[in-house]
Amino acid sequence: NAGVTQTPKFRILKIGQSMTLQCTQDMNHNYMYWYRQDPGMGLKLIYYSVGAGITDKGEVPNGYNVSRSTTEDFPLRLELAAPSQTSVYFCASRPGTGNGYTFGSGTRLTVV
Amino acid sequence: DQQVKQNSPSLSVQEGRISILNCDYTNSMFDYFLWYKKYPAEGPTFLISISSIKDKNEDGRFTVFLNKSAKHLSLHIVPSQPGDSAVYFCAAEAYGNKLVFGAGTILRVKS
Repeated sequence: NAGVTQTPKFRILKIGQSMTLQCTQDMNHNYMYWYRQDPGMGLKLIYYSVGAGITDKGEVPNGYNVSRSTTEDFPLRLELAAPSQTSVYFCASRPGTGNGYTFGSGTRLTVV
Repeated sequence: DQQVKQNSPSLSVQEGRISILNCDYTNSMFDYFLWYKKYPAEGPTFLISISSIKDKNEDGRFTVFLNKSAKHLSLHIVPSQPGDSAVYFCAAEAYGNKLVFGAGTILRVKS
């Protein structure tokens, strides 16, 4: 059981570079989420999706983009990386509302 | 506006004693509450949940209490074990919406 898989685990980016954080789940969950966690802070929602082809903004979407072409995959794109995007990024999924999330192990991103 | 607040950044407890982690919320539309546990370099893992129609839910050493009138919930761990040392996040949801997380409480269980 792979659950939610995130790649890469670590990445250092230079200011202005772009990258895609990958997230895939094998549980056939409809709902997928991207959160970021800053030191001493809770998890802030970046984007979420309730099914293939449907995405919506969360609390902190600026500087990010997502797509959901399949049920399994929910990549997060960073364009023009900034130091403020240094954080740990978590992808999560769940079958529907009223259920807990299953989280991936996270991607630690540093922008220098 | 923090809708879910964990006012204690950290808690230290002796092994075998009770750990009580607290959480307050402001949104009266929240109807589902969860606790997650997180170890360093890992993603959060689901621990226990409670819906707003209940005031208590137990799972082994873990019990969650919900006081809707006070908009307060707590997680009790009895007895506490060194392996319980982790960050604990409280989260809440209004039906059909997204989970809102608190900032977390670091629990240290001393042996």
